[in-house]
Amino acid sequence: AQKITQTQPGMFVQEKEAVTLDCTYDTSDPSYGLFWYKQPSSGEMIFLIYQGSYDQQNATEGRYSLNFQKARKSANLVISASQLGDSAMYFCAMRPFDSWGKLQFGAGTQVVVTP
Amino acid sequence: NAGVTQTPKFRVLKTGQSMTLLCAQDMNHEYMYWYRQDPGMGLRLIHYSVGEGTTAKGEVPDGYNVSRLKKQNFLLGLESAAPSQTSVYFCASRREGTVPSVGSGELFFGEGSRLTVL
Repeated sequence: AQKITQTQPGMFVQEKEAVTLDCTYDTSDPSYGLFWYKQPSSGEMIFLIYQGSYDQQNATEGRYSLNFQKARKSANLVISASQLGDSAMYFCAMRPFDSWGKLQFGAGTQVVVTP
Repeated sequence: NAGVTQTPKFRVLKTGQSMTLLCAQDMNHEYMYWYRQDPGMGLRLIHYSVGEGTTAKGEVPDGYNVSRLKKQNFLLGLESAAPSQTSVYFCASRREGTVPSVGSGELFFGEGSRLTVL
């Protein structure tokens, strides 16, 4: 069975600093997708970034980048130049192969950005 | 654009009562999902549907039923609510890909429905 692990339940980061959120996954599938979502205090789930297991380059979306290390089965999210609005819960998720788009989520990491 | 809309947003039930959560999407997506979110556990899949008239069980289906009579709607029912079903429920949808497991195909989520069972 697949499993997503986020080992950091909470983190504090200063404004303008970079922060790395850890995510490891366990799968034996040859093909899979990795996602990060942001959940602010208002509760909605916001898609941030996607990495396919066969993608040659690490994904980037604005201030978000995904440090994908396939052999180590890790997909860490890097947020550069943190802003107060980045304070939120962040979820790592994996879509296994042939899963009809279903996502499996980690437990999440709460990020608090301080001035 | 409305995207994915869930109703109601909040509900309080007594043990044993029944209720239905409605999810509506206006993006013509084929796939729809119901998740529940509990503290420290992330989101867990309850049921999902890959098209009108189809439903399938997810990770935690017990105590829930679903129906997808129309492509745009996905209903989640609790026949006899229990305190263990106190949670925040999220509906999500996804466009159909040529191959379901390929490509970004991120899930689009509704705003969530907070259910309390006393």
